[in-house]
Amino acid sequence: EAQVTQNPRYLITVTGKKLTVTCSQNMNHEYMSWYRQDPGLGLRQIYYSMNVEVTDKGDVPEGYKVSRKEKRNFPLILESPSPNQTSLYFCASSLTGLSNYGYTFGSGTRLTVV
Amino acid sequence: AQSVSQHNHHVILSEAASLELGCNYSYGGTVNLFWYVQYPGQHLQLLLKYFSGDPLVKGIKGFEAEFIKSKFSFNLRKPSVQWSDTAEYFCAVNRDSSASKIIFGSGTRLSIRP
Repeated sequence: EAQVTQNPRYLITVTGKKLTVTCSQNMNHEYMSWYRQDPGLGLRQIYYSMNVEVTDKGDVPEGYKVSRKEKRNFPLILESPSPNQTSLYFCASSLTGLSNYGYTFGSGTRLTVV
Repeated sequence: AQSVSQHNHHVILSEAASLELGCNYSYGGTVNLFWYVQYPGQHLQLLLKYFSGDPLVKGIKGFEAEFIKSKFSFNLRKPSVQWSDTAEYFCAVNRDSSASKIIFGSGTRLSIRP
């Protein structure tokens, strides 16, 4: 089944403890992106990647890192999480860097930083 | 700055009522337009998209949207809603043709009374 898989689905952590949220897609998509969803703010783009080893900042990149060493994987790294990073995170992918295809979204990761 | 506005934050309807959710954007150039739906506890799914041609676009589950260029609008409609349409709906606008430039609105929560 074609899908975007995120892990974990739920995560509670403490301030400052490094964490990684994984994202993997099995559709050979070139383009991948991370969003955070907050009430009243909709989805805001954190980072995106046009292809392997090509990443760029979205609208809210502060406090996050990403890497794209393989086409299928696009992990989101929080080096030192803070409570304002408590949010619902979605990974998304698209066939190419063009917008024609829309996105396929993962099921989300609900992160709580205490 | 370019933006996407969904003025209705929460809409409550009875089953069989007609639905129209507003979406306006501020970008003046060529745009690609999307509506996504997020059912409770699930990820976003593409409802429909507009790139060119007929401004009336039909999507899945009986939804349609009309692109009115002069009004910078892309409103979502459904003639008769069902309880299963209870979800959050996001309008998204793509500036240029790059998937990295998709901007999401803040979402409209739709509640359907049985």
